[in-house]
Amino acid sequence: SAVISQKPSRDICQRGTSLTIQCQVDSQVTMMFWYRQQPGQSLTLIATANQGSEATYESGFVIDKFPISRPNLTFSTLTVSNMSPEDSSIYLCSGSGAYNEQFFGPGTRLTVL
Amino acid sequence: KQEVTQIPAALSVPEGENLVLNCSFTDSAIYNLQWFRQDPGKGLTSLLLIQSSQREQTSGRLNASLDKSSGRSTLYIAASQPGDSATYLCAAPNSGGSNYKLTFGKGTLLTVNP
Repeated sequence: SAVISQKPSRDICQRGTSLTIQCQVDSQVTMMFWYRQQPGQSLTLIATANQGSEATYESGFVIDKFPISRPNLTFSTLTVSNMSPEDSSIYLCSGSGAYNEQFFGPGTRLTVL
Repeated sequence: KQEVTQIPAALSVPEGENLVLNCSFTDSAIYNLQWFRQDPGKGLTSLLLIQSSQREQTSGRLNASLDKSSGRSTLYIAASQPGDSATYLCAAPNSGGSNYKLTFGKGTLLTVNP
């Protein structure tokens, strides 16, 4: 199974600022994803991070708000831009391996004041 | 569009009890289903992955079954322990070309009392 790390583990940010979250996997994965988990809710897929090209966003999520990079097979970043309190959530990175089994990072807990 | 429902939303049991968590999904043309565990404020830990060709998978005290025809999966936990207390999430992929995308249920919050 893949081991996935994320940085930072948590942050408290001011309204209007941006935060970049890093995700590192310890082995090559076929696909990488970014999810959001709002308080008390389940996970919602933000986008699929594509190596060397633009991410594929789900309905309701746009590149200007959540720019994503994936420069190589094992690393990706998600930026939450121009933050508001509604962006307070846990952001999770995942990677898929054999049989499309997905493995998750520990998450980044974001609080926007 | 895949929809996943988990019942019950919360469950509280005494230590040692056997229990079953239920998951249903609307699009049965899936090729696998995955169960996860989430501790408060933490990421997800993959528990079991069941391929569509399998009817069940076992890992230690956990056993997951899959019935594609009825759109159901169950997670059986034997001899529950306080350390099993967590939220358990079921996730099913979309069918067709986007079958790598997972749709999650809202989870079952399990509390095992010593």
